[in-house]
Amino acid sequence: TQLLEQSPQFLSIQEGENLTVYCNSSSVFSSLQWYRQEPGEGPVLLVTVVTGGEVKKLKRLTFQFGDARKDSSLHITAAQPGDTGLYLCAANTGKLIFGQGTTLQVKP
Amino acid sequence: GAVVSQHPSRVICKSGTSVKIECRSLDFQATTMFWYRQFPKQSLMLMATSNEGSKATYEQGVEKDKFLINHASLTLSTLTVTSAHPEDSSFYICSARSGLRLSSTDTQYFGPGTRLTVL
Repeated sequence: TQLLEQSPQFLSIQEGENLTVYCNSSSVFSSLQWYRQEPGEGPVLLVTVVTGGEVKKLKRLTFQFGDARKDSSLHITAAQPGDTGLYLCAANTGKLIFGQGTTLQVKP
Repeated sequence: GAVVSQHPSRVICKSGTSVKIECRSLDFQATTMFWYRQFPKQSLMLMATSNEGSKATYEQGVEKDKFLINHASLTLSTLTVTSAHPEDSSFYICSARSGLRLSSTDTQYFGPGTRLTVL
């Protein structure tokens, strides 16, 4: 059983398009994190969301934490080829557990 | 931000040999370190948690006698893959955090990963 369900798992879009990645769970979390990982490298923390309903923006990336603190979303506006990578949500349960990941490919 | 290094970055070994991977926190003391493995196009799967000076806690399904973890100092943890086989080929990533208790704002710092190929 996967603690964090991420969708979609694969996404291939054209440059300039918008996209949303979802991270869902039946559990309540004190916080959720989003990471981005490039091939052959470790994941890099993008954001931590802590408060239910919280919205954080990082340039063209918008992160939202659900009101019930069970889910989160990542929205990318006007995607660029440089956004290509593996996006991972993660939850603190005393240890950091990751969702399945979303592989994003942005074609020029 | 804090830096975590891993050595080696890539290793190729013959089946049946043992391989040691080092994880170092370069500018902070890591009370807790974590080891993950990642198969191609998949997410990170937690293998074990190690606290400095104590035995590692392994996740279900991870063989503790095959994946030996030592966290002998506050800046170094090692993962030894014993009697490696081709199915152990994977990307191994460590992470480190400084606090003992994981708060909602604690950050884990990830290493760059080690690519293990077993022939």
